[in-house]
Amino acid sequence: QSVLTQPPSASGTPGQRVAISCSGGRSNIGSNYVYWYQQLPGTAPKLLIDRNNQRPSGVPDRFSGSKSGTSASLAVSGLRAEDEADYYCAAWDDTVGGPVFGGGTKVTVL
Amino acid sequence: QLQLQESGPGLVKPSETLSLTCTVSGGSIRSSTHYWAWIRQPPGKGLEWIGSIYYSGNTYYNASLKSRVTISVDMSENQFSLRLRSATAADTAMYYCARNEGGQYYAHFDYWGQGALVTVSS
Repeated sequence: QSVLTQPPSASGTPGQRVAISCSGGRSNIGSNYVYWYQQLPGTAPKLLIDRNNQRPSGVPDRFSGSKSGTSASLAVSGLRAEDEADYYCAAWDDTVGGPVFGGGTKVTVL
Repeated sequence: QLQLQESGPGLVKPSETLSLTCTVSGGSIRSSTHYWAWIRQPPGKGLEWIGSIYYSGNTYYNASLKSRVTISVDMSENQFSLRLRSATAADTAMYYCARNEGGQYYAHFDYWGQGALVTVSS
């Protein structure tokens, strides 16, 4: 049972927009930055979005993050076959005293 | 370009200690703005933060693992290490080391190793 809640799966056709939600509470998303990680099959996770909505160098602008209250969202626009991966949200949790992750969302490109 | 590489035994017997080392290259572990972290992922499951360490030796751990975990740093070798005592099958996972930008209060892991699969089995 993850502290942050994500849907287990999401899908779309090439070119479509897919959004992934991440729900938490006041002790994590509500009071700290949210980060998103992309894990391609068989590889280590990669930082995709930092500090709620900032894209690290090299991340396409098709990826965008947002946060409102105790929830966050990752949007992928112009979906491509290479976007098929697992996506994880993460945030520091003041109650737990450490970073916590969502359970992950598997994105399938149909 | 900063690189991290995990190393250690891929098979550990139940009740024994799981030990891994992360070697950092392309940069110094002696950074005032970074911690260094261990994160694991059981097969087919999600990510779990284990703990983080600062170059000075300051550590903070996942409360659920704290009684069994020790993370240490060796600045002379530019490495940090994980020891997980009394291993069980539930500790079977891919273990990643990562750079923790900002350290405490940030779930910001900007560089990752490729991972080391550790199986706990007799």
